[in-house]
Amino acid sequence: KAGVTQTPRYLIKTRGQQVTLSCSPISGHRSVSWYQQTPGQGLQFLFEYFSETQRNKGNFPGRFSGRQFSNSRSEMNVSTLELGDSALYLCASSTQPGREAFFGQGTRLTVV
Amino acid sequence: GENVEQHPSTLSVQEGDSAVIKCTYSDSASNYFPWYKQELGKRPQLIIDIRSNVGEKKDQRIAVTLNKTAKHFSLHITETQPEDSAVYFCAAMYSGGGADGLTFGKGTHLIIQP
Repeated sequence: KAGVTQTPRYLIKTRGQQVTLSCSPISGHRSVSWYQQTPGQGLQFLFEYFSETQRNKGNFPGRFSGRQFSNSRSEMNVSTLELGDSALYLCASSTQPGREAFFGQGTRLTVV
Repeated sequence: GENVEQHPSTLSVQEGDSAVIKCTYSDSASNYFPWYKQELGKRPQLIIDIRSNVGEKKDQRIAVTLNKTAKHFSLHITETQPEDSAVYFCAAMYSGGGADGLTFGKGTHLIIQP
């Protein structure tokens, strides 16, 4: 069974631009969560989607948004990029909320 | 919201010795406690987890213990091997309705000395 797939693996963007990251969960998994990983703040929860609905959101500004499609694939979008948005963005999939979560390889975003 | 404290931040042990990493959580509603291992440049990998209706769980050389009263949980690795070198993260979550995702500790860098 294929694991969680995130694309692209690496991105370089300029301040003020926007970016869209993609996550394909493990087949049969309907819940997708997104996390930001930085050396200073560690792993922080962004939001979770289940059955195309956002269930909850972490303490991030409205520039961070996401969505989930009917095939459970998810995208997250960051608008008006800031230097501080440079991070590894990880998505995790579960069969449903509250179950074991399996992470993808992440997308390394660098904002210059 | 939930807050998870993890200690130590760095742990160096001799190959073959045991390693223990400790975490505390603040929200008594949390009922799911996974541990992840992250090697340099790789994804966090779920290695073991425990739910609040169980006090201890073991999988070969790895065990996790949970003390709900004290809001402590710990990861125990016995007979450490070089491939155990990595950063380990504990996490806590309430897995019922309205869950807010996993709250992670800051991580423990485990170094296995040959």
